[in-house]
Amino acid sequence: GDSVTQMEGPVTLSEEAFLTINCTYTATGYPSLFWYVQYPGEGLQLLLKATKADDKGSNKGFEATYRKETTSFHLEKGSVQVSDSAVYFCASSGGSYIPTFGRGTSLIVHP
Amino acid sequence: GAGVSQSPSNKVTEKGKDVELRCDPISGHTALYWYRQSLGQGLEFLIYFQGNSAPDKSGLPSDRFSAERTGGSVSTLTIQRTQQEDSAVYLCASSPTGTGTDTQYFGPGTRLTVL
Repeated sequence: GDSVTQMEGPVTLSEEAFLTINCTYTATGYPSLFWYVQYPGEGLQLLLKATKADDKGSNKGFEATYRKETTSFHLEKGSVQVSDSAVYFCASSGGSYIPTFGRGTSLIVHP
Repeated sequence: GAGVSQSPSNKVTEKGKDVELRCDPISGHTALYWYRQSLGQGLEFLIYFQGNSAPDKSGLPSDRFSAERTGGSVSTLTIQRTQQEDSAVYLCASSPTGTGTDTQYFGPGTRLTVL
């Protein structure tokens, strides 16, 4: 079946550091790919998405590019802020109506 | 417009009691999902509704769990004879059509604690 693997956390960075959170997927066909963010005490919310190969999703300074050849959708941000501290979930959604989520990566940003 | 709402936000119950969790999806969204999130774990899929029907109940962990959706809108997740391992945050999400490109819109969750 489909699966999503993302790097284990927590990822701990200083403010203004560069962020990468790796995500790879296995799926039949060509799924849509998503990054969701969960701030403390809240539900998940969409951060960005890409629906076809080579698409780049971007939002709030975060970017991720759909790489079919490496089956990856790594999340990047050039300069993180304390307010980016949250749990980040990578997800894929293909022919099934049920998205597949990764286990989540906790990001902690120190001032 | 209004987002997905869930009630109650917190529920503490004693082992063996039944609980009902409620989800109000975004108006017009035909697809509705229930997930469970245990401490430090990812999202565990429980059940999916398209309209009022549930084509996929494969994630329900046992026959103590059931869910229904009425009028293509509100859904309730019922857990009978609760056990301590049922303690978790229960998340509801809705999406416009349930197709693969849809964004899921999540509620804030219900934190269930079984003593």
